[in-house]
Amino acid sequence: DVKVTQSSRYLVKRTGEKVFLECVQDMDHENMFWYRQDPGLGLRLIYFSYDVKMKEKGDIPEGYSVSREKKERFSLILESASTNQTSMYLCASSPRAGTVNYGYTFGSGTRLTVV
Amino acid sequence: AQKVTQAQTEISVVEKEDVTLDCVYETRDTTYYLFWYKQPPSGELVFLIRRNSFDEQNEISGRYSWNFQKSTSSFNFTITASQVVDSAVYFCAPSYLSGNTPLVFGKGTRLSVIA
Repeated sequence: DVKVTQSSRYLVKRTGEKVFLECVQDMDHENMFWYRQDPGLGLRLIYFSYDVKMKEKGDIPEGYSVSREKKERFSLILESASTNQTSMYLCASSPRAGTVNYGYTFGSGTRLTVV
Repeated sequence: AQKVTQAQTEISVVEKEDVTLDCVYETRDTTYYLFWYKQPPSGELVFLIRRNSFDEQNEISGRYSWNFQKSTSSFNFTITASQVVDSAVYFCAPSYLSGNTPLVFGKGTRLSVIA
């Protein structure tokens, strides 16, 4: 079965800590995405990547960075966590657009609380 | 930025009622994809349907049906004979430029089906 795995379901971190959120997919997908989800705001795109070592800013990249050293892994980094980064973080992957099975597969999310 | 609007924030229905979730999107593209996702209380987004902009056939899948109208930029979703298990947040999401841009999510519609 197709899978996107996020390393932690729940995470509590302190203000100022460097935080790594890991996402791994086993579908050989080219594209990977990080969204955050907040009540009343829906899903907002943080960063995405269309290939290894490539990254593109989404709508709300401030305070975040990403790393994609291998095709299957896309890491989201909070350089210095702040309370306004408390949120649900969702990772997704997809094959290239236009392919027969094009669509996003999501991980189950990481609920991050920054205290 | 191109937008998608789900005007209904929350809907509550009694079991066995039919319910329609609205989605209106903005685009200048001629080729794009449209998706619906379901997010049950467990949190993981589940793919429901993908349509491309060339295919305006309405679609029925069991109790689910979709009405795509390119002329009004709408892609509405109807659940017939709703069940308690349909309770979830539903997201509409277009992907523009033939799918070569990330999904843009609406803010979601929270559906509660009461027994």
